Amino acid sequence: KQEVTQIPAALSVPEGENLVLNCSFTDSAIYNLQWFRQDPGKGLTSLLLIQSSQREQTSGRLNASLDKSSGRSTLYIAASQPGDSATYLCAVFSSNTGKLIFGQGTTLQVKP
Amino acid sequence: EAQVTQNPRYLITVTGKKLTVTCSQNMNHEYMSWYRQDPGLGLRQIYYSMNVEVTDKGDVPEGYKVSRKEKRNFPLILESPSPNQTSLYFCASSPSSGYRTQHFGDGTRLSIL
Repeated sequence: KQEVTQIPAALSVPEGENLVLNCSFTDSAIYNLQWFRQDPGKGLTSLLLIQSSQREQTSGRLNASLDKSSGRSTLYIAASQPGDSATYLCAVFSSNTGKLIFGQGTTLQVKP
Repeated sequence: EAQVTQNPRYLITVTGKKLTVTCSQNMNHEYMSWYRQDPGLGLRQIYYSMNVEVTDKGDVPEGYKVSRKEKRNFPLILESPSPNQTSLYFCASSPSSGYRTQHFGDGTRLSIL
């Protein structure tokens, strides 16, 4: 059974710092891995989607990497800003079940 | 504007009183799905639909029903709600079989007393 784990559960950093969020998954049979952002009282916003054949994707200050063989992904946020404060969720789309399996998220606080 | 719309956004109701949470998308997506989000358990899939008249169980389908009579709508039905269904619910849609980027609604917070 696919399990997705995100570490740390919470993170607090000063503004301007570069940071890395981690995601690991137990089954390498995935179509893709997605990173989402969730703001309080809001739904999920897709940030990046990495296909299983890809190694990384970039969007602005965000860079996500994927190492399928080791079951790991990282989300790198450069020059963090207070507006980046949110919960970040990683999810894998399982090839075996056709389902999107979520981690429990990392809650990020960026202090001015 | 491309969006997934859920209604209601908030609902407090009592045990046993049937309720429906509506979900509508305007992107002509084939795939739609319902999730519930609970502290410590994360997001779990309730039901999903690959296309009109095609629905299937997710990981936590007990106590829920869905229907997909039209492509744009995917309502979630709680025939006899119980307190353990108090949760934050999200509807999502995606092109094709769901492995593309999923677009989420803003969520429905249900409290069953």
